[in-house]
Amino acid sequence: AQSVSQHNHHVILSEAASLELGCNYSYGGTVNLFWYVQYPGQHLQLLLKYFSGDPLVKGIKGFEAEFIKSKFSFNLRKPSVQWSDTAEYFCAVTSLSGGYNKLIFGAGTRLAVHP
Amino acid sequence: DADVTQTPRNRITKTGKRIMLECSQTKGHDRMYWYRQDPGLGLQLIYYSFDVKDINKGEISDGYSVSRQAQAKFSLSLESAIPNQTALYFCATSDLFRDSNQPQHFGDGTRLSIL
Repeated sequence: AQSVSQHNHHVILSEAASLELGCNYSYGGTVNLFWYVQYPGQHLQLLLKYFSGDPLVKGIKGFEAEFIKSKFSFNLRKPSVQWSDTAEYFCAVTSLSGGYNKLIFGAGTRLAVHP
Repeated sequence: DADVTQTPRNRITKTGKRIMLECSQTKGHDRMYWYRQDPGLGLQLIYYSFDVKDINKGEISDGYSVSRQAQAKFSLSLESAIPNQTALYFCATSDLFRDSNQPQHFGDGTRLSIL
């Protein structure tokens, strides 16, 4: 079965620190990759997505992610985090299933940024 | 994203009761989804619907049923609730042509507790 692994379940950073959240997936074929963010008490929002082309994807709020096909990875980065980035982050990948590209989510990484 | 509305926002009920969670959207999207979110597990797809006459099972459909009453409405039912269905439930929508069939717009969630 296809799977998505987010190795860090909890990350604590100080403001202005750099962020990198790991995401690895198991599917070997063509993939679409996503990062979603869930701020406390809110619904999920799409941060960025990769379908094809430049493997370095720019998203909203200064986030970016790099698709490395050989490593089956799609790590999320931000050079300098802010307190407002405190949230839970979910990596997701499409998986072919009966013709519909079902989205498989990772377990999430909870980020806490201290002032 | 107020365009996707879930009711109720919170519900506490007893084992064996029938429960309906409702989702309505004003985005005009043809595709709608129901997910449940459990701590440490990310989101899991329960059911999805590509149009009014199309209903498909997701990863964890057992114990759930859905109804797509109209393009804008997609309800999730628990026929006989059990405690391990205690979770946060999200409805989501996507547009076939703009969103490449992945859930892009989420409701605020329904927190369901079954005693």
